Amino acid sequence: GAVVSQHPSRVICKSGTSVKIECRSLDFQATTMFWYRQFPKQSLMLMATSNEGSKATYEQGVEKDKFLINHASLTLSTLTVTSAHPEDSSFYICSAPEAQRTEAFFGQGTRLTVV
Amino acid sequence: LAKTTQPISMDSYEGQEVNITCSHNNIATNDYITWYQQFPSQGPRFIIQGYKTKVTNEVASLFIPADRKSSTLSLPRVSLSDTAVYYCLVGPYSGAGSYQLTFGKGTKLSVIP
Repeated sequence: GAVVSQHPSRVICKSGTSVKIECRSLDFQATTMFWYRQFPKQSLMLMATSNEGSKATYEQGVEKDKFLINHASLTLSTLTVTSAHPEDSSFYICSAPEAQRTEAFFGQGTRLTVV
Repeated sequence: LAKTTQPISMDSYEGQEVNITCSHNNIATNDYITWYQQFPSQGPRFIIQGYKTKVTNEVASLFIPADRKSSTLSLPRVSLSDTAVYYCLVGPYSGAGSYQLTFGKGTKLSVIP
C-alpha cells in the first residue's frame, strides 16, 4: 500500500514551452503533497507544498508563477513548469504522507531536460 | 528541524555489514529519526524509523543511544544492489501532518564486488 506514482518518468521539451508533471497517490488520499527538485549529485530540495483545494506554499526562492501547482483532488497534484529554460533541467520528485503511516512516500521522479 | 551530519561516502565489499552513523546533536524531544535510500534516477525509499534504543526490520537495523544525539543505520551483508545514497532525517512525527522533509547531503554507499 501507500504508492505514489509520477508521470512522465522523463520528458524533453524545447526552451520556452511548458511541461506538466503529475503526481498521484494510488491507494490513499493525500490532502498534502510535496514537490522536490534534485540537481545532479545534489540532495533533494523542497520546492513547494501542495494543498488540496487551496493555494500551494512555495519555499523561498521558488517562483510561484514559473512552477504552477494544482492539487484539484485528493489523489492528484500537478506541477507545471512554465516557459521552461535549460536551467530548469532537473529531477523533480513528489511525495505524499499517508494518514496511518509515519514515513513519507515518494514518486519515482521525473527527469526534465530542456533543450 | 535538527541538522544532521553523515559521512559523504563509504565503500564496502559485498557480504560485509555496513554501519552508517548520523550525528544530530540538536535533536528535539518529539523528533524521530528516519532513514531513506535513493537509487540513481529514483525517488527516495523509506528504510527504517526509530525514536530510541534499537529498531530492526527485514532490511536494516537502527541503533539509537540513550542521548539520541546520533544514530547508526546497520545494513547486514550488503550486496551490489545496496549501492545507493542513504539519507538520515530528523524531525517530528505529526501523524498525517507536515512530512516537510529537509534532506542533508546523504551518504553515498558503494558496494564493491
